[in-house]
Amino acid sequence: KQEVTQIPAALSVPEGENLVLNCSFTDSAIYNLQWFRQDPGKGLTSLLLIQSSQREQTSGRLNASLDKSSGRSTLYIAASQPGDSATYLCVAYNAGNMLTFGGGTRLMVKP
Amino acid sequence: DVKVTQSSRYLVKRTGEKVFLECVQDMDHENMFWYRQDPGLGLRLIYFSYDVKMKEKGDIPEGYSVSREKKERFSLILESASTNQTSMYLCASSLWGASSYEQYFGPGTRLTVT
Repeated sequence: KQEVTQIPAALSVPEGENLVLNCSFTDSAIYNLQWFRQDPGKGLTSLLLIQSSQREQTSGRLNASLDKSSGRSTLYIAASQPGDSATYLCVAYNAGNMLTFGGGTRLMVKP
Repeated sequence: DVKVTQSSRYLVKRTGEKVFLECVQDMDHENMFWYRQDPGLGLRLIYFSYDVKMKEKGDIPEGYSVSREKKERFSLILESASTNQTSMYLCASSLWGASSYEQYFGPGTRLTVT
């Protein structure tokens, strides 16, 4: 059974720092890897989806990479801002369109 | 743009009430899903449906049922709400196929059962 782990569970950084959020998964036979953002009490906002044939995706200050062989994905946030404060979820897409969610990394960017 | 809507953002119900959570998608997706999200437990799949009138149990179906009478609408039913069903409920939809297509999520319904 797929397991997805996100480390660290919480992170606090000063504004302007570049940072990396980590995600690892146990079963490398994934179809997609997706990163979401979730603000307190709100739904999921999709940030980036990497298909299994891709190595990375970029959107603005965000870059997500995927290494299936090592079972890892990273989300890189450049020049962090207080508005980036949220919980970031990593999600692995398995066969049959089933998702496995990581526990999330709660990010706080201090002004 | 894919749009998934949920009937309520916030809902407060009493123990024992029958509760309906509605989800509607506008992209003609075959698959629809219901999840619940709880602190420390993450998101867990309750039920999903890959076609009208079809349903499959997810990881935690106990205490819930679903209905899919039309392709665009997927309802989650709590037959007799209990306090342990207080949670955030998220609906999602996707295309169906041999591969695994992106799931699009609704805004969520925060249900409180008192």
